[in-house]
Amino acid sequence: EAGVAQSPRYKIIEKRQSVAFWCNPISGHATLYWYQQILGQGPKLLIQFQNNGVVDDSQLPKDRFSAERLKGVDSTLKIQPAKLEDSAVYLCASSLAGTMNTEAFFGQGTRLTVV
Amino acid sequence: GNSVTQMEGPVTLSEEAFLTINCTYTATGYPSLFWYVQYPGEGLQLLLKATKADDKGSNKGFEATYRKETTSFHLEKGSVQVSDSAVYFCALKTGGFKTIFGAGTRLFVKA
Repeated sequence: EAGVAQSPRYKIIEKRQSVAFWCNPISGHATLYWYQQILGQGPKLLIQFQNNGVVDDSQLPKDRFSAERLKGVDSTLKIQPAKLEDSAVYLCASSLAGTMNTEAFFGQGTRLTVV
Repeated sequence: GNSVTQMEGPVTLSEEAFLTINCTYTATGYPSLFWYVQYPGEGLQLLLKATKADDKGSNKGFEATYRKETTSFHLEKGSVQVSDSAVYFCALKTGGFKTIFGAGTRLFVKA
């Protein structure tokens, strides 16, 4: 079974530029998550999709971050304009249709450096 | 709100030593509890889970018991190996199906 695919693996941009990350979840997984993991911290949920609808985006900085999941499959996360404090690893994860017991499967992440 | 607190690292042990990584949580209702592991250069992966009180999750020699009375889910292993060196994350999943992670505990195992 193929895992969660993310691209790119690494990205370096200057502040105020824009950047986009792509994620393809495991086939059949209705729930998709984007997390931000700052060095030395645990992953912080940015947004959660159930199929193509947003379930939770309470911690997404909506003035600069946006995400979409067209057709309920793959997803993109965009930052525009980027700030220095956005430097982090952006993790995509997916799980079977939301239940309490199912774990999330993570991609390798995209390491973003804003200079 | 819901949260997870883990012991700070790094934890440095010699091979074959006993490992405990403490994890406590705050949650409304009855969450499911998870331990995830991140090996160097790899993505996060599930290590074990427990979905109700007194359940014990186990995998690869690691164990953790869901203790509702102490709101804890401590990770233990009787004899660690160098290959266990990684970052360990305690996490909970609530009724909203949102998974909340602790800050992570880095483990170094010396040969």
